Amino acid sequence: LAKTTQPISMDSYEGQEVNITCSHNNIATNDYITWYQQFPSQGPRFIIQGYKTKVTNEVASLFIPADRKSSTLSLPRVSLSDTAVYYCLVGVDTNAGKSTFGDGTTLTVKP
Amino acid sequence: GAVVSQHPSRVICKSGTSVKIECRSLDFQATTMFWYRQFPKQSLMLMATSNEGSKATYEQGVEKDKFLINHASLTLSTLTVTSAHPEDSSFYICSAPLPNEQFFGPGTRLTVL
Repeated sequence: LAKTTQPISMDSYEGQEVNITCSHNNIATNDYITWYQQFPSQGPRFIIQGYKTKVTNEVASLFIPADRKSSTLSLPRVSLSDTAVYYCLVGVDTNAGKSTFGDGTTLTVKP
Repeated sequence: GAVVSQHPSRVICKSGTSVKIECRSLDFQATTMFWYRQFPKQSLMLMATSNEGSKATYEQGVEKDKFLINHASLTLSTLTVTSAHPEDSSFYICSAPLPNEQFFGPGTRLTVL
């Protein structure tokens, strides 16, 4: 399973766009990239998933360059409630569904 | 999306007792489920893979006799922490996969006094 590297923490202000980049140099051809959000004392919550180029849903966008060795989660106009830990996961082992969590990025949104 | 539940959401027990945590996939069947443990301000650490109808697979360093896993049906996996000690206090999270995605339960906070 591909190892991921993310910034440990980021600060932002309400209303700003936040971009969190994840490096995954060893991504395999059939690996998907999935981002999760976790609040304290809660299970991780799915945000977005992509394989290549750009994916957008109602809460975020995911940008994946052609080489797929990194990805960027973009959160438009963050609010205080977006303060959480964000995890980038690469490579759900389709034989076992196993995922390996990296350290995640703690995003703190300030008023 | 798919829903995974856990019960109880929090439990406090005395040292030496055993605690059972249930993980259910509510609207889909899961032949495999996963159990994670998360200590404060740390990431999720995979403990074991629960396999319906067969033995669980444990990650390196996880004691199988201490963390008993049973996957009796396609929608239920249980984790029993046997002879719990204060160092077992943690946040336990289960997940169930569908192709290319994991669905996580809300977690169980275990406090061992």
